[in-house]
Amino acid sequence: EPEVTQTPSHQVTQMGQEVILRCVPISNHLYFYWYRQILGQKVEFLVSFYNNEISEKSEIFDDQFSVERPDGSNFTLKIRSTKLEDSAMYFCASGGVLAKNIQYFGAGTRLSVL
Amino acid sequence: RKEVEQDPGPFNVPEGATVAFNCTYSNSASQSFFWYRQDCRKEPKLLMSVYSSGNEDGRFTAQLNRASQYISLLIRDSKLSDSATYLCVAYKSNTGNQFYFGTGTSLTVIP
Repeated sequence: EPEVTQTPSHQVTQMGQEVILRCVPISNHLYFYWYRQILGQKVEFLVSFYNNEISEKSEIFDDQFSVERPDGSNFTLKIRSTKLEDSAMYFCASGGVLAKNIQYFGAGTRLSVL
Repeated sequence: RKEVEQDPGPFNVPEGATVAFNCTYSNSASQSFFWYRQDCRKEPKLLMSVYSSGNEDGRFTAQLNRASQYISLLIRDSKLSDSATYLCVAYKSNTGNQFYFGTGTSLTVIP
């Protein structure tokens, strides 16, 4: 069964550093998403991406964040100048054309900012 | 006001029990609704979509009431493996696609 893969599974970084979280969506999907879940809290929408551009973003997704689809397979989330409060699980999800409201999640990257 | 609100629980029920979760959403423009299941430190997984006509998948029944902006999930004959957090999700598509998650309702099924 096709799946969304995320790397790394755990990323540790120092405050102020930049991190790039990587995702490989399901191959024929066209809608891509990033979410954040701080430990013990709800899943929070960050951004949706379609046709090589951001289609929707939340208030959380400020200038510190950016997304990119550098090639035909990867979808990345860059977090610049990380803060302690960026520590969370980051989930990537993708959705197909026929049912764009159905999304499949990757296993997530746990980001720890020290 | 939160887009999606759920009772966080926890719900602790014995095996075989029937349990119901409720959820309300604030934005009448929301188009689709879902229940996801999330196990501890794992990703959310789609459990089922929710329709106004009601839909059933084995022991699980979901219902949407658009007039009341209310969504429910009923689990019959609870199994130990049903223990998880159940997330209510609303989807809206304006200029883009956005999914709104509730805080989740924690269920523990006790032997």
